[in-house]
Amino acid sequence: AQSVTQLDSHVSVSEGTPVLLRCNYSSSYSPSLFWYVQHPNKGLQLLLKYTSAATLVKGINGFEAEFKKSETSFHLTKPSAHMSDAAEYFCATVRSQGNLIFGKGTKLSVKP
Amino acid sequence: NAGVTQTPKFQVLKTGQSMTLQCAQDMNHEYMSWYRQDPGMGLRLIHYSVGAGITDQGEVPNGYNVSRSTTEDFPLRLLSAAPSQTSVYFCASSPAGIGYTFGSGTRLTVV
Repeated sequence: AQSVTQLDSHVSVSEGTPVLLRCNYSSSYSPSLFWYVQHPNKGLQLLLKYTSAATLVKGINGFEAEFKKSETSFHLTKPSAHMSDAAEYFCATVRSQGNLIFGKGTKLSVKP
Repeated sequence: NAGVTQTPKFQVLKTGQSMTLQCAQDMNHEYMSWYRQDPGMGLRLIHYSVGAGITDQGEVPNGYNVSRSTTEDFPLRLLSAAPSQTSVYFCASSPAGIGYTFGSGTRLTVV
């Protein structure tokens, strides 16, 4: 069965330093993978998606993620954190039925 | 182009009351889903639909009913509210199971 695991429940970085949010997946076939962001008291916004094209995926707001089949990973990165990046981030994959299954989320804190 | 619209945004219910959370999309998407979000649990799938007249259960369906009589609407009914159903509920839609668009959520408190 498909699943995703987010390895950190909370990540704290200083403004201007790199961001790394980790996600591992489990799938019996080539998966579709997503990162969503949720700002406080808001809905979910799609950051980026991987659907078996280029393994390095660029998203909005300077985020990108690399699909690594050998490591079953899809980690989210950003070279330089901004205060506005403070939010909760969710990794997700698509079930065979066509709906999403989510990781438990990683809360990103950005210190000035 | 409103996307996915959820109503109400906030609701307080007493234990045992019933209510319907509304979800409507104007993008002609076939796939629609309901999730609940609880702290530390991520989003868990309640029910989903792959087209009008077709619904199925997700991970946590107990205490909830759905129907899909039109492509646009996918209401979620709480039959007899319990405190364990206190949560934030999200509706989402997708054209083919890829790239879901989410509504802004309904924050439900059951007392």
